[in-house]
Amino acid sequence: AQTVTQSQPEMSVQEAETVTLSCTYDTSENNYYLFWYKQPPSRQMILVIRQEAYKQQNATENRFSVNFQKAAKSFSLKISDSQLGDTAMYFCAFMKGTNAGKSTFGDGTTLTVKP
Amino acid sequence: DGGITQSPKYLFRKEGQNVTLSCEQNLNHDAMYWYRQDPGQGLRLIYYSQIVNDFQKGDIAEGYSVSREKKESFPLTVTSAQKNPTAFYLCASKGGFSAGGPLGGEQFFGPGTRLTVL
Repeated sequence: AQTVTQSQPEMSVQEAETVTLSCTYDTSENNYYLFWYKQPPSRQMILVIRQEAYKQQNATENRFSVNFQKAAKSFSLKISDSQLGDTAMYFCAFMKGTNAGKSTFGDGTTLTVKP
Repeated sequence: DGGITQSPKYLFRKEGQNVTLSCEQNLNHDAMYWYRQDPGQGLRLIYYSQIVNDFQKGDIAEGYSVSREKKESFPLTVTSAQKNPTAFYLCASKGGFSAGGPLGGEQFFGPGTRLTVL
């Protein structure tokens, strides 16, 4: 079974600064996908960024980027130029690389961006 | 617009009653999921369905039941056997992976239902 660990229950960052959220996972699979989801105070969960394990290049979406270390089974999220709207709970998730199956989620990191 | 909807947004239940939470999607996704989220915590999988007329138990299925008679719909019933049902419930759907596509495999979530037992 896969496990996903987010070791930082809470973090805070000043507006316009950079913050990195940690995620580690454990799997024996070689083909899989990793995701970061954001849940703002509205509680509507949305996808932030997605990484395919077979790709060596780290995924980037505007101010969001990941540091994917496959050998270390690490998948951290970097948020640059933090904005007040980034305040949310962030979940790291793992999914096997098939069309079927379920995701395994971490327990989440609550990020607060301070003005 | 394509999306996933849940109703009602808030639901109150008396002890001993069964209640059903609705989840509908028009994304043409095969897979659908139900999660429970307790305050300040992560998502725990209740049930999931990868295809119509088939579903599997998740990690905390006891006290819950589901059906998947249509591709678009995946209702969750919280039965009286669920001892502590007060929580936030999220429904999600998932499309297939497409080679090289920018999207695929991620889950799309509904807005959630807050269930409170009185």
